[in-house]
Amino acid sequence: GENVEQHPSTLSVQEGDSAVIKCTYSDSASNYFPWYKQELGKGPQLIIDIRSNVGEKKDQRIAVTLNKTAKHFSLHITETQPEDSAVYFCAALSFFTGGGNKLTFGTGTQLKVEL
Amino acid sequence: DGGITQSPKYLFRKEGQNVTLSCEQNLNHDAMYWYRQDPGQGLRLIYYSQIVNDFQKGDIAEGYSVSREKKESFPLTVTSAQKNPTAFYLCASSILAGEKTQYFGPGTRLLVL
Repeated sequence: GENVEQHPSTLSVQEGDSAVIKCTYSDSASNYFPWYKQELGKGPQLIIDIRSNVGEKKDQRIAVTLNKTAKHFSLHITETQPEDSAVYFCAALSFFTGGGNKLTFGTGTQLKVEL
Repeated sequence: DGGITQSPKYLFRKEGQNVTLSCEQNLNHDAMYWYRQDPGQGLRLIYYSQIVNDFQKGDIAEGYSVSREKKESFPLTVTSAQKNPTAFYLCASSILAGEKTQYFGPGTRLLVL
């Protein structure tokens, strides 16, 4: 089955700096890669996603890149702000043999943006 | 949190007791999912359902049961067979075709007394 590894587990940056979180996946059939932001005690919120036919996608200060050959995808946050502090999860969509799809999640990155 | 609601926010379970977590969505999504979240382990799939009256086991289904009698509702029962139930439980939903993006509810934290 799919295996997703995420690094680093914690990341501390100064306000205004950039943050990069990296993930690798194992199933070459996976074709959809969402990123979620989770604040303490709340459910994950989708912040950006990318499909395997696209190499990069941007949404204001957030961008995601995908390298299908290497099975890597990364989240880039520029001009970080204190409200960016949260846990970020990457995920990869794979498929069950009997039909249906499944998201396999990384173990999360605790991002702290310091003033 | 979109149109997905979970209740209660906190739930306490006594030894040997079954408890049921509620998940309702008004997004007209066909598929619904239950995940368990433990510290440092990300989210793990418990059960999922693509259509009413049908559901399949995920990676960690032992000690849990579900039902899908209505499209909008996908309750999860944590049975007494689940020996380590303390966790944050998240419900999600998605459409079946196209984007398949999963949207999450606010979660239920289950604690053992």
